[in-house]
Amino acid sequence: DGGITQSPKYLFRKEGQNVTLSCEQNLNHDAMYWYRQDPGQGLRLIYYSQIVNDFQKGDIAEGYSVSREKKESFPLTVTSAQKNPTAFYLCASSIVGLENTGELFFGEGSRLTVL
Amino acid sequence: AQKITQTQPGMFVQEKEAVTLDCTYDTSDPSYGLFWYKQPSSGEMIFLIYQGSYDQQNATEGRYSLNFQKARKSANLVISASQLGDSAMYFCAMRDHTGRRALTFGSGTRLQVQP
Repeated sequence: DGGITQSPKYLFRKEGQNVTLSCEQNLNHDAMYWYRQDPGQGLRLIYYSQIVNDFQKGDIAEGYSVSREKKESFPLTVTSAQKNPTAFYLCASSIVGLENTGELFFGEGSRLTVL
Repeated sequence: AQKITQTQPGMFVQEKEAVTLDCTYDTSDPSYGLFWYKQPSSGEMIFLIYQGSYDQQNATEGRYSLNFQKARKSANLVISASQLGDSAMYFCAMRDHTGRRALTFGSGTRLQVQP
């Protein structure tokens, strides 16, 4: 089945450690996105990429980094510079093109807890 | 800059009744799209309904309809014949057709359906 796979589902990290969250899609979508969700809050955009080897900062990019070396993959690294990394992270993808609605297809999320 | 406002942090509805979840938006782009997503306690984001800014008719998808009032910049979600399984967080989101084309989300409304 086509979809978006995020791993790991749960992750614990010690302060000062970098951690990488994986996001893989087999929908053949050009665009991919990372969102952060805090308890009881909406989703905030961290980074997005509309084409391979290109990505842009979202609203809360500080302390995060991404790469887009393959169309299917858009990993997110949470660095030690991120002051409050405990959150729920959602990866999404979409078709690019004005004729499309731009609906996002989401993975099941990764819950990161910093100890 | 785009902004989505959901003023109802929580709502209660009796099973089989209809409920309206409010959403207002702000954008300077004449062309945009409005979305509603459902997030159950499992965390996945489920797409419900889409409305384009130039669509003449309100969007409907099964028990979901979108009450689109362009002049008031509102895009309220109406759920008819509520079911216990409708209990979840509901997010309104917007995408403009220029710039970054990522969705901007509201803070969400928690809906609880009572038997």
